[in-house]
Amino acid sequence: KQEVTQIPAALSVPEGENLVLNCSFTDSAIYNLQWFRQDPGKGLTSLLLIQSSQREQTSGRLNASLDKSSGRSTLYIAASQPGDSATYLCAVLTPNAGNMLTFGGGTRLMVKP
Amino acid sequence: EAQVTQNPRYLITVTGKKLTVTCSQNMNHEYMSWYRQDPGLGLRQIYYSMNVEVTDKGDVPEGYKVSRKEKRNFPLILESPSPNQTSLYFCASSVGFGYEQYFGPGTRLTVT
Repeated sequence: KQEVTQIPAALSVPEGENLVLNCSFTDSAIYNLQWFRQDPGKGLTSLLLIQSSQREQTSGRLNASLDKSSGRSTLYIAASQPGDSATYLCAVLTPNAGNMLTFGGGTRLMVKP
Repeated sequence: EAQVTQNPRYLITVTGKKLTVTCSQNMNHEYMSWYRQDPGLGLRQIYYSMNVEVTDKGDVPEGYKVSRKEKRNFPLILESPSPNQTSLYFCASSVGFGYEQYFGPGTRLTVT
């Protein structure tokens, strides 16, 4: 059964720093991987989707990479801002799983002014 | 505006009183899902639907029912809620399998 792990569980950085969030998964036979942002009391906002055939995706200050063979993905946030403070979740879609995303536990990020 | 909406956003109820949480999307998406989020357990899929009248169980379907009579709507039904169904529920949709999934704002349910 697919398992997704995110390390660290929490991270606090000063504003302006570049940072990397990590995601690992046990079964490399994934269809795609999606990164989300969750703000307290709110829903999930999709940040980036990487298909299994892709190595990376970029959106603004965000860059996500995927190494399927090693079961890893990273989310790089450049020049962090206080508004980036949120919980970041990665999720993988496995073939034949009924469009079910398997989520990691999330990394809670705090960017201090 | 393209979105997934859920109602109600907050609900407190008592054990055994049937309830329905509605979910609607305006993006003409074929796939819709329900997830629950619990501390320490993360997000887990309850049910999903590939199209009208086509539904199937996810990881944690016990105690829940769904229906998909119209493409845009995918209600979650708890016929006899119990305290272990206290959770944060999310509806999600995507245009098809393997495409980006969009989530609703969540429904916080408390069963006493």
